[in-house]
Amino acid sequence: EAGVAQSPRYKIIEKRQSVAFWCNPISGHATLYWYQQILGQGPKLLIQFQNNGVVDDSQLPKDRFSAERLKGVDSTLKIQPAKLEDSAVYLCASSPRSPAHEQFFGPGTRLTVL
Amino acid sequence: GENVGLHLPTLSVQEGDNSIINCAYSNSASDYFIWYKQESGKGPQFIIDIRSNMDKRQGQRVTVLLNKTVKHLSLQIAATQPGDSAVYFCAENRGQNSNSGYALNFGKGTSLLVTP
Repeated sequence: EAGVAQSPRYKIIEKRQSVAFWCNPISGHATLYWYQQILGQGPKLLIQFQNNGVVDDSQLPKDRFSAERLKGVDSTLKIQPAKLEDSAVYLCASSPRSPAHEQFFGPGTRLTVL
Repeated sequence: GENVGLHLPTLSVQEGDNSIINCAYSNSASDYFIWYKQESGKGPQFIIDIRSNMDKRQGQRVTVLLNKTVKHLSLQIAATQPGDSAVYFCAENRGQNSNSGYALNFGKGTSLLVTP
C-alpha cells in the first residue's frame, strides 16, 4: 500500500513569511497527526485529527500555527508568520482508528527559516 | 508534560554484536510504549511495541523489555547489522482515547552506529 505522502520535502523561507505543508495519509486511516521535530530531538505532537475533527491541539502554537483536515482525508499545516525557531522537520503520521496504535510516518518536510 | 528520556545519546557497536538501547519514562500511568527507528532524511519507522501488562515482547531480531517498577524500557537488537545504524526513539502514549488513537510522547533518541 502507498505510504503517507508529504509535500514539499524542503522549504526555505525568511522569518515573518508564511508557509504551508500538505499531507495525504494512508487510505482509510481515520487518525492523522502532525509532529514537529527539531534537529537532535524526538518528534513533538502538534495536532491530532480524528476524521476531520481535532482531538488534541494542546501543543499547537495557535497564535501562528493552524491546521485543517477538510473532508477527513488530506491535511494542511500552516505557519503564519514564521519565526527562526520554527526551523524543523514537520512530520505527518496516520493510523487506523482501532485497535492498532501503530503510526505510519511520512518522510517529513524540512523547513528552514532564515 | 511527562518526560520520556534516554540514558545515552550515542551507541557504537560492532557488526554482529547485540545492541541494547535504554529508555526511562516518568509517567506511571503510561500503558503503551513503542520503539521507532529513524534513518537520515526519513520519517520514524515502527519497530516494536509493548503494553504495560507485559514485561517482554519479541520480534524479528528485536526484543523490548519493560520494567514498570523502575519505569525503564529497553530495546535489544540481536546480531546488529550495518543497516541498523539509525536513531532510535522510545515513545509513550500521551493519553487514552480509544476512539481516536494514541498520540505519542517521544524521547530525545539514541544514535546507533554499527561498525564493521
